[in-house]
Amino acid sequence: GQQVMQIPQYQHVQEGEDFTTYCNSSTTLSNIQWYKQRPGGHPVFLIQLVKSGEVKKQKRLTFQFGEAKKNSSLHITATQTTDVGTYFCAGYDYKLSFGAGTTVTVRA
Amino acid sequence: GAVVSQHPSWVICKSGTSVKIECRSLDFQATTMFWYRQFPKQSLMLMATSNEGSKATYEQGVEKDKFLINHASLTLSTLTVTSAHPEDSSFYICSAGAGNGANVLTFGAGSRLTVL
Repeated sequence: GQQVMQIPQYQHVQEGEDFTTYCNSSTTLSNIQWYKQRPGGHPVFLIQLVKSGEVKKQKRLTFQFGEAKKNSSLHITATQTTDVGTYFCAGYDYKLSFGAGTTVTVRA
Repeated sequence: GAVVSQHPSWVICKSGTSVKIECRSLDFQATTMFWYRQFPKQSLMLMATSNEGSKATYEQGVEKDKFLINHASLTLSTLTVTSAHPEDSSFYICSAGAGNGANVLTFGAGSRLTVL
């Protein structure tokens, strides 16, 4: 069955630094989505990528969909304390499958 | 934007009792809603797909007699945890697609269940 793997599980970042979280699917995806869950909160939709090789930016966040539509990445530049939370990728094949998430903590 | 309301946000119950969780789409109609379970510091596990007017589709390993799902209208789905036990304690989250890409989900705030 479809599996979505996400690394790293934890990311502890110095404020102002950059980091990247990676997502890989065992199957080719129709689209990939990214969600953010703040501590104690619920997942909130960030973005959807549909096209092979697609790159989208939201301020300091850059999302990329691989050419083979089996992997994706989220790169955050100049990390801020507001970036704290867990970032989930979710791959859509015949259903939406979530990765394990990357939990981000920031040290000032 | 699309809003999904979930109630209650938290509930404590005794072992053996049943608990009902409601999920409502407030400003859109949802023929399909999804129920997830999330353990602490873990990912979202899809439990079942709730279909308006028909039976829910359960994921492998999820007991349909344990987790009863009813989707009686286009704006309401309910999850009933029957004869709850401490191992059922978890964070339950519902979601629905609001049409901006049918498979993009709007999540409810979640319901934290604690079974004593």
